[in-house]
Amino acid sequence: GAVVSQHPSRVICKSGTSVKIECRSLDFQATTMFWYRQFPKQSLMLMATSNEGSKATYEQGVEKDKFLINHASLTLSTLTVTSAHPEDSSFYICSARDRGRKSQPQHFGDGTRLSIL
Amino acid sequence: QQQVKQSPQSLIVQKGGISIINCAYENTAFDYFPWYQQFPGKGPALLIAIRPDVSEKKEGRFTISFNKSAKQFSLHIMDSQPGDSATYFCAASIGGGNTGKLIFGQGTTLQVKP
Repeated sequence: GAVVSQHPSRVICKSGTSVKIECRSLDFQATTMFWYRQFPKQSLMLMATSNEGSKATYEQGVEKDKFLINHASLTLSTLTVTSAHPEDSSFYICSARDRGRKSQPQHFGDGTRLSIL
Repeated sequence: QQQVKQSPQSLIVQKGGISIINCAYENTAFDYFPWYQQFPGKGPALLIAIRPDVSEKKEGRFTISFNKSAKQFSLHIMDSQPGDSATYFCAASIGGGNTGKLIFGQGTTLQVKP
């Protein structure tokens, strides 16, 4: 089945550091990837939609200069949390659409736990 | 209008019982309604999904009931098992069917007691 891989699965870093999270579609090409954030015991909130070769579309209230998204290839999207602070600590999850199977639902990665000290 | 409201927040069911989780929405533009299961530290996994032209869909022990006029849909887990203990999210998709943006409900934590 379709697999979406996120790396790293967990990262702990100091306040002020920039952190990059990768989202890869392992066995399919993804023209569109989605980035979600999930706080403990809360729902998934869509942050942005990442389209290959173009700028990401951010949801209202999400700072695009804070959360940089790059979708440079059909199998890789990256989310960079710039100058991270403790309030950015969260579970970040990506999902991807299979460009060859448009009738199939998007596939989710296993998330990245980000902890900012 | 973009919200999907889910209830209950938590649910405890005995093994073999029926677990029922409900969701309601306002936006009639939603055209795809999936349910996801999430275990701690993992991403959500698609369980079952329905489109508004169908009133019910069953896959194994999981059934979605959909009431278009009431703008409500529910997940029924028959013969609930301890392995079903997880957080369940309903969702609705806008702007592209099953491949568009997903708006998630608040989640229901299910505990199935042996």
